[in-house]
Amino acid sequence: GAVVSQHPSRVICKSGTSVKIECRSLDFQATTMFWYRQFPKKSLMLMATSNEGSKATYEQGVEKDKFLINHASLTLSTLTVTSAHPEDSSFYICSARGLAGGGNNEQFFGPGTRLTVL
Amino acid sequence: EDKVVQSPLSLVVHEGDTVTLNCSYEVTNFRSLLWYKQEKKAPTFLFMLTSSGIEKKSGRLSSILDKKELFSILNITATQTGDSAVYLCAVEGGSEKLVFGKGTKLTVNP
Repeated sequence: GAVVSQHPSRVICKSGTSVKIECRSLDFQATTMFWYRQFPKKSLMLMATSNEGSKATYEQGVEKDKFLINHASLTLSTLTVTSAHPEDSSFYICSARGLAGGGNNEQFFGPGTRLTVL
Repeated sequence: EDKVVQSPLSLVVHEGDTVTLNCSYEVTNFRSLLWYKQEKKAPTFLFMLTSSGIEKKSGRLSSILDKKELFSILNITATQTGDSAVYLCAVEGGSEKLVFGKGTKLTVNP
């Protein structure tokens, strides 16, 4: 299947700093990338959907100025958590969808990034 | 609003047992239902179901969809300790976004 990577896999930062997380589709072109957030023992919650070259569409309750998403190319999307606070600590997962694996429009998940804000 | 409900939320079995995990959904313009296994990291894909009544099988795992009754089941036979994980069900509707259930936490004891 298609491979999606995320970097970094784990980050610990101080409150007030900004953190950038990268999501890359390694062997296919991702027309759409999705960013999810998962709290401990909870399910994945979609934060935003980004299409290459256009502005991301945020889910209700997600602050777009807080969680900046850029999808500059067909293989890279970034999520920047600005002025991070302890309540932003979570597991962030991206997925990518494009013409891969036979073109069935499946979403492929990255391995996730665990963010801890002190 | 699209909704996915999984049951049970938690299940503890012994190795060798067979388990059935349930997923019911409400979605506008259903496109597909997906099952994922999540251990410590991101979910790994198990099955995608789009048609009613057609069983998908992979080793000891199988799944089937009932679009009339709006549910799916995931069966695991002869469970092993390595099957311990959270199993997530997600549906894709007209919005093309995945909506996830809360998951079923399966623990398989030796």
